[in-house]
Amino acid sequence: DIQMTQSPSFLSASVGDRVTINCKASQNINKYLDWYQQKLGEAPKLLIYNTNSLHTGIPSRFSGSGSGTDFTLTISSLQPEDVATYFCLQHNSGSWTFGGGTKLELK
Amino acid sequence: EVQLVESGGGLVQPGRSLKLSCVASGFTFSNYGMNWIRQAPGKGLEWVAYISSGSSYIYYAETVKGRFTISRDNAKNTLYLQMTSLRSEDTALYYCARIRGIGVMDAWGQGASVTVSS
Repeated sequence: DIQMTQSPSFLSASVGDRVTINCKASQNINKYLDWYQQKLGEAPKLLIYNTNSLHTGIPSRFSGSGSGTDFTLTISSLQPEDVATYFCLQHNSGSWTFGGGTKLELK
Repeated sequence: EVQLVESGGGLVQPGRSLKLSCVASGFTFSNYGMNWIRQAPGKGLEWVAYISSGSSYIYYAETVKGRFTISRDNAKNTLYLQMTSLRSEDTALYYCARIRGIGVMDAWGQGASVTVSS
């Protein structure tokens, strides 16, 4: 099974900061890596799919990059409404595996 | 508007069964594969089961294989998860999610809560 290691687990940043979250796959997953945002009490929301494609309606301050085993979610300028937990998800292998999550808070 | 609404959750004793439903609207349900995903209280997300649009392909996580059965009724726009031999570790919020393209879950329901406890 493919394992996803996400870092950091917690992140504190200020409004306007550039924020990066990383995910490492235990084996090559090609481009099949997505990023989700989950706010408290809500269902996860798709932000980025297939490494770097922005989902409909998602602000352009969110972007994704990477390939193979190493992937990054970047928020170019943190906004108060971005406070949430972020998950990566691989879907390369006929199954789906989530990263452990990154809880993002405002400093 | 794409909508997925789960139901059927509740409190159940260990070893008993429960069946979740997910009613879809706002899109052509029969064209999409579907997943069940769960989230234990305060924990991360875990994929549970997948079914293709025509039910030809079905996959399960190892943690539920042999105990859970995913199915769908395209005439009723409804996805199901039959859960048997429930354990305390199955306690979670269960989400259904639509799959677009090669495995991208682009729409989720709000979840159905399942608590397994005596």
